[in-house]
Amino acid sequence: DVKVTQSSRYLVKRTGEKVFLECVQDMDHENMFWYRQDPGLGLRLIYFSYDVKMKEKGDIPEGYSVSREKKERFSLILESASTNQTSMYLCASSTTVPSGNTIYFGEGSWLTVV
Amino acid sequence: AQSVTQLGSHVSVSEGALVLLRCNYSSSVPPYLFWYVQYPNQGLQLLLKYTTGATLVKGINGFEAEFKKSETSFHLTKPSAHMSDAAEYFCAVRTDTGRRALTFGSGTRLQVQP
Repeated sequence: DVKVTQSSRYLVKRTGEKVFLECVQDMDHENMFWYRQDPGLGLRLIYFSYDVKMKEKGDIPEGYSVSREKKERFSLILESASTNQTSMYLCASSTTVPSGNTIYFGEGSWLTVV
Repeated sequence: AQSVTQLGSHVSVSEGALVLLRCNYSSSVPPYLFWYVQYPNQGLQLLLKYTTGATLVKGINGFEAEFKKSETSFHLTKPSAHMSDAAEYFCAVRTDTGRRALTFGSGTRLQVQP
């Protein structure tokens, strides 16, 4: 089974702190994604990466950055956390071929910024 | 660009009744369509997907969905609801062109009454 592991399930951080959310996948997938989930808004794409050291902005990249130094690991960084970044963050991964391939999700990280 | 609309943010059914969750998509090229389920405090799990071929797709837990190109719809159904079906359901779309990420609808929370 594919496993996508998010290192922290629940975090509480202070406004202005730098926050790292870590994600590791064990299936040698090329693509990795970070989504943010908010009630009534569904999942919105923050950033994605299709190769090591490659990244592309999603729909809501402002206030976030990412790092992919190794194929299996994709980190989401909040440079200076703000209260409006309180949310559930979901990491996901997939292969490139075939095109209709499944995207697999981690369990999510609940971040509260106070 | 593609988009997904899920009609009804909350749906309530009685145990044993038909479940119908609606999803309409917008895409200028042939889409790949997905339904995911999310149980409380968990990540997303794939229920079923349509890529090519047969338009009626069967998934896990007795769910199925039919791709109707003329109606741009991919509604999710289950003949008889079970209490364990209570969860949030997300419809998603992606295509061969553009980015490799899924675009999600806003989700439908299903309640099952005894």
